[in-house]
Amino acid sequence: KNEVEQSPQNLTAQEGEFITINCSYSVGISALHWLQQHPGGGIVSLFMLSSGKKKHGRLIATINIQEKHSSLHITASHPRDSAVYICAVSAEITDKLIFGTGTRLQVFP
Amino acid sequence: ETGVTQSPTHLIKTRGQQVTLRCSSQSGHNTVSWYQQALGQGPQFIFQYYREEENGRGNFPPRFSGLQFPNYSSELNVNALELDDSALYLCASSLIGFYEQYFGPGTRLTVT
Repeated sequence: KNEVEQSPQNLTAQEGEFITINCSYSVGISALHWLQQHPGGGIVSLFMLSSGKKKHGRLIATINIQEKHSSLHITASHPRDSAVYICAVSAEITDKLIFGTGTRLQVFP
Repeated sequence: ETGVTQSPTHLIKTRGQQVTLRCSSQSGHNTVSWYQQALGQGPQFIFQYYREEENGRGNFPPRFSGLQFPNYSSELNVNALELDDSALYLCASSLIGFYEQYFGPGTRLTVT
């Protein structure tokens, strides 16, 4: 079993839909990261959080430390949101990142 | 402030050869981590360097080695390439003690 699990693996949506991607982890963490990867390969950090909730534009990330679960929400999705979204955790004490396998999102106009 | 850069962008090598990938850290960062991402998978941690010393290693064989230079740029070396080494190699820089990492665009290595 992977230490970081994401669901769903693939997601398609119509423009404007509300999207949720889930992440569960089984190790002690110092922080949880949501990352975005476009087809070219480069990774962009969207959020880093260790408690509660963060919002940036149409993106919202939440984390429940007790349940070892995080969600990434995209409101009013747009075709430019199409990408792979990766959940990663910073293992406790070190800043070694453990990654989920990613959720491939496609938003159609 | 410059971002993280990697070179080359793409590379094709033959099984058994050796390869060196390069990474230039974001200005002010003293830690670099290297990751391997196979097609359709999440990245896997290879190793991290801090102050020119290895500071943690993932489950990769010794033929994967690295260097960090005084200017915090870094190299990943892979000897005796195998077909399964074909992947996107990502480096990420950070400040030790801070968990946020800044990723480079990656080098796509194909081993034939």
